[in-house]
Amino acid sequence: GALVYQYPRRTICKSGTSMRMECQAVGFQATSVAWYRQSPQKTFELIALSTVNSAIKYEQNFTQEKFPISHPNLSFSSMTVLNAYLEDRGLYLCGARGHSNERLFFGHGTKLSVL
Amino acid sequence: DAKTTQPDSMESTEGETVHLPCSHATISGNEYIYWYRQVPLQGPEYVTHGLQQNTTNSMAFLAIASDRKSSTLILPHVSLRDAAVYHCILFGGSNAKLTFGKGTKLSVKS
Repeated sequence: GALVYQYPRRTICKSGTSMRMECQAVGFQATSVAWYRQSPQKTFELIALSTVNSAIKYEQNFTQEKFPISHPNLSFSSMTVLNAYLEDRGLYLCGARGHSNERLFFGHGTKLSVL
Repeated sequence: DAKTTQPDSMESTEGETVHLPCSHATISGNEYIYWYRQVPLQGPEYVTHGLQQNTTNSMAFLAIASDRKSSTLILPHVSLRDAAVYHCILFGGSNAKLTFGKGTKLSVKS
């Protein structure tokens, strides 16, 4: 079956430092990967949508300079949170899908805490 | 700017059949209706999706209104493991972004 592995599951970083999270698609080709952040208040925010061989589209309030994303092939994507501060806390989720209109498969998420 | 409307919460008892409603009055012709559920500290889990016809799988039955402006996720014989936040989302066609709202928090008591 199709699965998405996301790691690490949890991470703690000091304010002003950076952390990287990765997603691995298994059993299907991840042509698109969407990165989300779920705040402690449980609201979802789409950060960016990455499609292989296309430019990464960032949503308003999210930039490549702050959340650089790599999507080098059909099974892997990573995102880094640069210079993390308290407002960056939350559960970061990657959702990957194959062809258009196919469901998104989500990883378990990376919970980011910032000290 | 979620395009779907769901009740904030619903309560049920183990063994009951639960009907989770969703309104999507502005749905466009090529958008699919997706349902995901999420438990704390986990990523959303796919439940089902449909375009126009009712669909069924091992997890749930999705009833879609004939005008597609609303749908109902039907969970037969719920158990404690079905307690989660259920999200109704429009996705597909020209809408390439899976946009989550707050969803419906389903509580299940024994």
